[in-house]
Order: sequence, then C-alpha cells, then structure tokens
Amino acid sequence: DIQMTQSPSSLSASVGDTVTITCRASQDINTYLAWFQQKPGKAPKSLIYAASSLQSGVPSKFSGSGSGTDFTLTISSLQPEDFATYYCQQYDNYPLTFGGGTKVELK
Amino acid sequence: EVQLVESGGGLVQPGGSLRLSCTASGFSFSSYWMHWVRQVPGKGLVWLSRIDSDGSRTMHADSVKGRFTISRDNAKNTLYLQMNSLRDEDRAVYYCTRGTGDHLDYWGQGTLVAVSS
Repeated sequence: DIQMTQSPSSLSASVGDTVTITCRASQDINTYLAWFQQKPGKAPKSLIYAASSLQSGVPSKFSGSGSGTDFTLTISSLQPEDFATYYCQQYDNYPLTFGGGTKVELK
Repeated sequence: EVQLVESGGGLVQPGGSLRLSCTASGFSFSSYWMHWVRQVPGKGLVWLSRIDSDGSRTMHADSVKGRFTISRDNAKNTLYLQMNSLRDEDRAVYYCTRGTGDHLDYWGQGTLVAVSS
C-alpha cells in the first residue's frame, strides 16, 4: 500500500495568513493526488485533484502543486471558514490511501 | 446539484449484519464509479470499496474483504454496502462517494454505524 504522510499534523494561524501543508507519498504517484477539506461533523469536500486542478466551485485561494512523491497545498488569506482539517489522498494505486490530516486552527 | 444521501446506519451487535444504502441524484448515476469510505470519529479517512459504473467489477480493502460487499442498482440510482460479521473496529461514519476516474469528487453526509453488545 502507498503511505501518505502529511505535515504538520496541526498548525495555528491567524486570519489573513497564508499557510502551506505538505504531503509525501511512499512511492511515485505521478500527479494522482487530491486534497480535501473537512469541518467538524461534516463530510470531506474536494478542493484539488490531479495535484493542482481546482475542483469546480472552489475559490482560487486554494492551490496545489507537486508531482512524484512531494506535494503541497497552499491556502492564501485565511478566513474563518478555512479553519478545518485537510487531507491528501493518492489515487494512483489501490487501495486508495489518505494522509493523516492537518488541522488548521485559529491562533 | 449532485446529492448523495446515505442511510441504514445504526447500532448492531458484534457478529451482526447491516446494509447501508446511498441514494444518488443530480447526475447520471449509471455513468460513474462509486466508492465507500469510512472514518472513525476523530480519526482519519479509510477507503473501503469501489464498484464500476455497471457493477461488473468491484474492489475491497483487505480489512473488509470477505465481510463487506459493495453493489449497486442503477435503475434505482442506489449504491449499497452489505456488511457482515461486524466487529467493534467497524464502528465509524460511512460515506458514499462518487468517483470521477478514481478522484472522489462528491461525498454524502455519512451514516454512523455503531457495533456494541
């Protein structure tokens, strides 16, 4: 199975900050990488697919980059609604696997 | 608008069975692969199963292989997950998700399964 490692596991930021979350795959996954946002008690929401493509309806403040084994999600100008947990997920191989999550908290 | 609505969760005894359903609307259900993903409250996401658009091919995670079966009824726009021999560790929120290729682009709100005697 492909292991997905996210860092940090949590971070504190202020409204208006720009934050970056990293995700590393245990083997080359090309750009078969997605990012999700999850708020407490809610289902995950797709933000990014194919490492850098924005899901329809998602604001451009979210951006993704990377290929191979190293990927990043950047969120610019954090707003109160952006404080949530973010997950990466590879879909290069089955079983599909997720990173452990990064909780973005208000400082 | 794409909508996925799960149902069928609840409390079941260890060793028992449960069938989850996911009713889809707002898109051509029969054209998409569908998946089940679960999440223990407070923990991460775990992929469980996938079914092709016509139901001809399925895949399951090793943790549920032989106990869980994914299926679909395209005439009813409904996805199922039959869960047998349930264990304490199967307690989780179960999500159905639509796959565009293998990208999980839309998710239902989830249904909670509790396993306890």
